[in-house]
Amino acid sequence: NAGVMQNPRHLVRRRGQEARLRCSPMKGHSHVYWYRQLPEEGLKFMVYLQKENIIDESGMPKERFSAEFPKEGPSILRIQQVVRGDSAAYFCASSPRTGGGEKLFFGSGTQLSVL
Amino acid sequence: AQKVTQAQTEISVVEKEDVTLDCVYETRDTTYYLFWYKQPPSGELVFLIRRNSFDEQNEISGRYSWNFQKSTSSFNFTITASQVVDSAVYFCALNVPNNNDMRFGAGTRLTVKP
Repeated sequence: NAGVMQNPRHLVRRRGQEARLRCSPMKGHSHVYWYRQLPEEGLKFMVYLQKENIIDESGMPKERFSAEFPKEGPSILRIQQVVRGDSAAYFCASSPRTGGGEKLFFGSGTQLSVL
Repeated sequence: AQKVTQAQTEISVVEKEDVTLDCVYETRDTTYYLFWYKQPPSGELVFLIRRNSFDEQNEISGRYSWNFQKSTSSFNFTITASQVVDSAVYFCALNVPNNNDMRFGAGTRLTVKP
């Protein structure tokens, strides 16, 4: 049973370009979370999605960031017009249920570097 | 609001030493869940333990043990007879029911030297 798959592992973008980060949850998991980790900091919640729905985007910056989890295919975190401050590790996690207190299964993350 | 504090930024020990990683949490909810995750150099976060607020029983799993004390709002993690493979960043996290935002501490980087 494959774990949470994220790609790419490393992504380099120049300022102003778009970054697309992909996440395939574990088989049977319909709940996806995105977190951002800045250097020497813990993970910060960004968004929680179920298939075709954004449930909670309270941690997402209001501009340039968007997320989706289509009926078919992976979840996508999209960052438009990237800036240097977007450089971070972005982690995706999935769970089979929700309601708080659920164990999250994490991917290996995507390291985004903005030049 | 929920908050998790891991005051120890980095710890370095020699193999076979015991080491305790501290975690202090804040929440006004009476029902909550505490977690520890391990992040090895490969980057993936590995789940270690989940504890709910009504279960203060300490837990031992091999060389790992956890001490949950509601009186001090702490959920400390001890590794006995540490090994080089224990070298990683360890995160403590807190979540409450019906909340999608699992709050993480800043992490403690543990280095175990041979």
